[in-house]
Amino acid sequence: GAGVSQTPSNKVTEKGKYVELRCDPISGHTALYWYRQSLGQGPEFLIYFQGTGAADDSGLPNDRFFAVRPEGSVSTLKIQRTERGDSAVYLCASSPVSVGEQFFGPGTRLTVL
Amino acid sequence: KQEVTQIPAALSVPEGENLVLNCSFTDSAIYNLQWFRQDPGKGLTSLLLIQSSQREQTSGRLNASLDKSSGRSTLYIAASQPGDSATYLCAALNSGYSTLTFGKGTMLLVSP
Repeated sequence: GAGVSQTPSNKVTEKGKYVELRCDPISGHTALYWYRQSLGQGPEFLIYFQGTGAADDSGLPNDRFFAVRPEGSVSTLKIQRTERGDSAVYLCASSPVSVGEQFFGPGTRLTVL
Repeated sequence: KQEVTQIPAALSVPEGENLVLNCSFTDSAIYNLQWFRQDPGKGLTSLLLIQSSQREQTSGRLNASLDKSSGRSTLYIAASQPGDSATYLCAALNSGYSTLTFGKGTMLLVSP
C-alpha cells in the first residue's frame, strides 16, 4: 500500500515568509509525528499527534512553529516568519499505534534564504 | 533525558565483509529500539524494530540485538554489498513517551 507522503519535496523561501509543509500518513495510522533533521544529525522530535489532538508538542522550538491535524489524517506543519536557522529537512512519520513501529516519509527540504 | 550515541560515525569496508554497527543509550527504560537506513537525500527506511522484551531481531542479512541493562544495541550486517552503502540510524522509544530519540548515524560505504 501507499506509504507516508510529504509535499512539497523541496521548498525555498525568503527570510520572514510563511510556509506550510504537508504530510499524508499511511491510511488508518492514528499516530503522526513531525521531526526535523539538520545536516549530519539525526532527526529531532517536533510534535506528535494521536488522532486530531497534539499529544506532545514539547519539541517545537518556539511559537513560530505550529501544526494541525484537523481530521485525524493529513497534517500540516506551519512556520511563520521563517529564519535561516529553520533550514533543514522536515520528516513526517506515522504509526498504527502510539508505541508502534514508525514509518517515515521522504521529507521536505526547506531552505530559507 | 535520553541520549543515543552511534559508533563509528563512518565506516568503509570492502564488499563481502561482515560488520557491526553500535548504538548506545543512556536511559534503559525504553519501550523499543528501531534501526533505520537513510540514503542520501531520502527519508528513513525502517529495517528492524526490537521490543524491550526481545533480545534480537533478524531480517535477511541483518541482525539487531538489544541489551537493555547495558544500554546497547548492535546491528550486524552479513556479507556486505555495495547496495548496503547508506547511513544507518538507531532510535530509542522511551517508556511513557511516543517519540523517538535518534543517534547521529553511522555512514557506511561498501566498496566493490
